[in-house]
Amino acid sequence: DIVMTQSPLSLPVTPGEPASISCRSSQSLLHSNGYTYLDWYLQKPGQPPQLLIYLAFNRAPGVPDRFSGSGSGTDFTLEISRVEAEDVGLYYCKQALQRWTFGQGTRVEIK
Amino acid sequence: QITLKESGPTLVKPTQTLTLTCTFSGFSFTSSPVGVGWIRQPPGKALEWLALVYWDDDKRYSPSLKSRLTITKDTSKNQVVLTMTNMDPVDTATYYCAHYYGDYVAFDVWGQGTMVTVSS
Repeated sequence: DIVMTQSPLSLPVTPGEPASISCRSSQSLLHSNGYTYLDWYLQKPGQPPQLLIYLAFNRAPGVPDRFSGSGSGTDFTLEISRVEAEDVGLYYCKQALQRWTFGQGTRVEIK
Repeated sequence: QITLKESGPTLVKPTQTLTLTCTFSGFSFTSSPVGVGWIRQPPGKALEWLALVYWDDDKRYSPSLKSRLTITKDTSKNQVVLTMTNMDPVDTATYYCAHYYGDYVAFDVWGQGTMVTVSS
């Protein structure tokens, strides 16, 4: 099984400041078709998860452009250019190369 | 607009079988590359993928739970059903169904989830 490891697990942030979350996979997520099978989700309090980023760096429809995904192989990053109060919640990375497994989640909260 | 809604019992006893239904609208389950998956989240814990059925009835299961899970689709009713046998208190969780879009290789729309408690 591919194991997904996120860091940090808790991230206090200041509105208006940037923030980043790291995700590492136990093996490369590069598919033979050239795409990288990694996505990011945000679960706001009391809500189901919502897709933010797919195939490593593509923003899902309706996702603000302050969210960006980067990385390749086994190391990935989700960046928020300027955090807003509505961005608080749990962030998960997920691999889709072999079945689907999620990271442990990173809790983003306002300082 | 794609919507999904989970339904099923809120309380099951240990050793019983859980049956959950996902009723969806806004997409056709006969066209590729779509699917419907089930994901659960124990209280205060991370998300765990359980199963997925594709438009062509191909099915995938979590290796650790495969022996206990069955996923089926009823295209005429726009429903996907998940059964999980031999329920245990550790299976207490919120169960989500989600639309899987193959072009994204991701779950792009989720239901609100249904909380299932396993207790005698």
